[in-house]
Amino acid sequence: QSALTQPPSASGSPGQSVTISCTGTSSDVGGYNSVCWYQQHPGKAPKLMIYEVSKRPSGVPDRFSGSKSGNTASLTVSGLQAEDEADYYCSSFAGTNILYVFGTGTKVTVL
Amino acid sequence: EVQLVESGGGLVQPGGSLRLSCAASGFTFSSYAMNWVRQAPGKGLEWVSGINSRSSGNTYYADFVKGRCTISRDDSKNTLYLQMNSLRAEDTAIYYCVRTSGLTFEIWGQGTMVTVSS
Repeated sequence: QSALTQPPSASGSPGQSVTISCTGTSSDVGGYNSVCWYQQHPGKAPKLMIYEVSKRPSGVPDRFSGSKSGNTASLTVSGLQAEDEADYYCSSFAGTNILYVFGTGTKVTVL
Repeated sequence: EVQLVESGGGLVQPGGSLRLSCAASGFTFSSYAMNWVRQAPGKGLEWVSGINSRSSGNTYYADFVKGRCTISRDDSKNTLYLQMNSLRAEDTAIYYCVRTSGLTFEIWGQGTMVTVSS
């Protein structure tokens, strides 16, 4: 099972928006509404930011939003802030054999 | 406060074994599926293994650890385990314990570092 494909990097100025894609197949991203997004700051554990494609856990700012079209999911961070600079990973359920697959990760830089 | 605290990592020689533990607190441990996810130095996240809640207890493994690792849980001790055998250099990583809700990795521990080297 291959990792989901994400762009290595993305950037934006404070206040701007950045969108990260996560491309899989019909066996994972396209087959289930289970895409999640995680934020990871250097030396820290990942933190759940979006689950089930577009839902935000309590405490996550509404600047973070998720969507999906076919085999590609997207995370949009609006109104970029300095603290949004981090690595972002997507994940998806991939069936009863593989179970879960992660994205390759995207480093977001706030210019 | 919901908390997951991993332990048991360290330096081990190729071919050796380690048992990782994850102590859970602040929630009803037995009601949740649990997973292990790893991250090699400077690399991305990789799902390793999972176990359903007490009601089923089914276990699942990524192909790269199948036959070498065993996941288990002791609900009386609120603890998750990962027994790792025949360790290889490529198993070097931070191993995270993760509480799972539905198909979501909801709560992550701080991780424990496993280094496989001679």
